[in-house]
Amino acid sequence: ETGVTQTPRHLVMGMTNKKSLKCEQHLGHNAMYWYKQSAKKPLELMFVYSLEERVENNSVPSRFSPECPNSSHLFLHLHTLQPEDSALYLCASSQGAQPGNYGYTFGSGTRLTVV
Amino acid sequence: RKEVEQDPGPFNVPEGATVAFNCTYSNSASQSFFWYRQDCRKEPKLLMSVYSSGNEDGRFTAQLNRASQYISLLIRDSKLSDSATYLCVVNDNNDMRFGAGTRLTVKP
Repeated sequence: ETGVTQTPRHLVMGMTNKKSLKCEQHLGHNAMYWYKQSAKKPLELMFVYSLEERVENNSVPSRFSPECPNSSHLFLHLHTLQPEDSALYLCASSQGAQPGNYGYTFGSGTRLTVV
Repeated sequence: RKEVEQDPGPFNVPEGATVAFNCTYSNSASQSFFWYRQDCRKEPKLLMSVYSSGNEDGRFTAQLNRASQYISLLIRDSKLSDSATYLCVVNDNNDMRFGAGTRLTVKP
């Protein structure tokens, strides 16, 4: 399998649930990212991992918790989400931590609905 | 002022038409620029980088105007399959800033 794969593709969860999103990249990249995409808004960077070290976006609520066990895998743990958290969550990877050189490769995303 | 601004459209054009989108950015020190394409309910995919001298890839031409702080994407001989949202991305020291996208629909 090549590229960046995300699971699940779709997720519906209640506000009291705990769930996790998974991302795996097979490109040999060593930086991985979580983005949130809401309708008609620019992609919002949530978290960056470079060489498995986290660079955190302080504006992300604590109900989102990332985990990067190695350079190929990235998780986003979700708990007590709000309906406004419903969005497309995209994982991306890049060569080094320099997406400005070659851009990102995105996964297909998880469409999350919080009810 | 938004950091990266795009006309949301939609642009509705007939097959075979030429269409152009602009994207303005606020940081004059931005280093590199990209166009991504995003199909409905899919992930963004890199369409092309934008080089200072301008660059072409088949029917697609990208231009950079640093003085006026905008980039453009020109699509010639539009195909039905070009229907998508086109995202402008501006790199500020590896902090990638996305526009909200311009929606294009090519009609038969």
